[in-house]
Amino acid sequence: QKEVEQNSGPLSVPEGAIASLNCTYSDRVSQSFFWYRQYSGKSPELIMSIYSNGDKEDGRFTAQLNKASQYVSLLIRDSQPSDSATYLCAVNEEGFQKLVFGTGTRLLVSP
Amino acid sequence: DVKVTQSSRYLVKRTGEKVFLECVQDMDHENMFWYRQDPGLGLRLIYFSYDVKMKEKGDIPEGYSVSREKKERFSLILESASTNQTSMYLCASSYLVSNNEQFFGPGTRLTVL
Repeated sequence: QKEVEQNSGPLSVPEGAIASLNCTYSDRVSQSFFWYRQYSGKSPELIMSIYSNGDKEDGRFTAQLNKASQYVSLLIRDSQPSDSATYLCAVNEEGFQKLVFGTGTRLLVSP
Repeated sequence: DVKVTQSSRYLVKRTGEKVFLECVQDMDHENMFWYRQDPGLGLRLIYFSYDVKMKEKGDIPEGYSVSREKKERFSLILESASTNQTSMYLCASSYLVSNNEQFFGPGTRLTVL
């Protein structure tokens, strides 16, 4: 059973700080990795995707992938109260069109 | 922008009723998915489809069926709704030949009484 693990949180950070969200996965052949943001009562919104080892930056967001350690993370710089949401990590199942989702980390950014 | 729409945001049904949830996407995506999301259990895949009239079971297909008669439309059917099917239902779509970036609709919150 392929698994994606996330700390449920909440992760509390002050406004302006860096929030670091982490995700580990069990399947060594996973190839594609995604971060979704989900506000309470809303549907998940894709914010980052990463496919190769290293860092990928998009505005205040940086995704980091280390396939050897089976670890993917999301850094949010200059965190804002509007970043308060649940962040879902998802991993592509090799050879299939399915994603395996973690249960999410709740982030709280206090003013 | 990718747009995925779902027929209802909120739905209340009675036990034993037949329930139809519809999803439409406007980006010519081959893949479409139905998930349910429950507190503490995360997103669980019910069914998916990679082509018209094709369907594949996900992780929790029991009590559900699907229909895909047109590429842009994917329906989820609860043949006889039960209270344990009260949940948030989410539809998503993606291109077949891609890294499987999935885009979600707004969700339908179904309550079965």
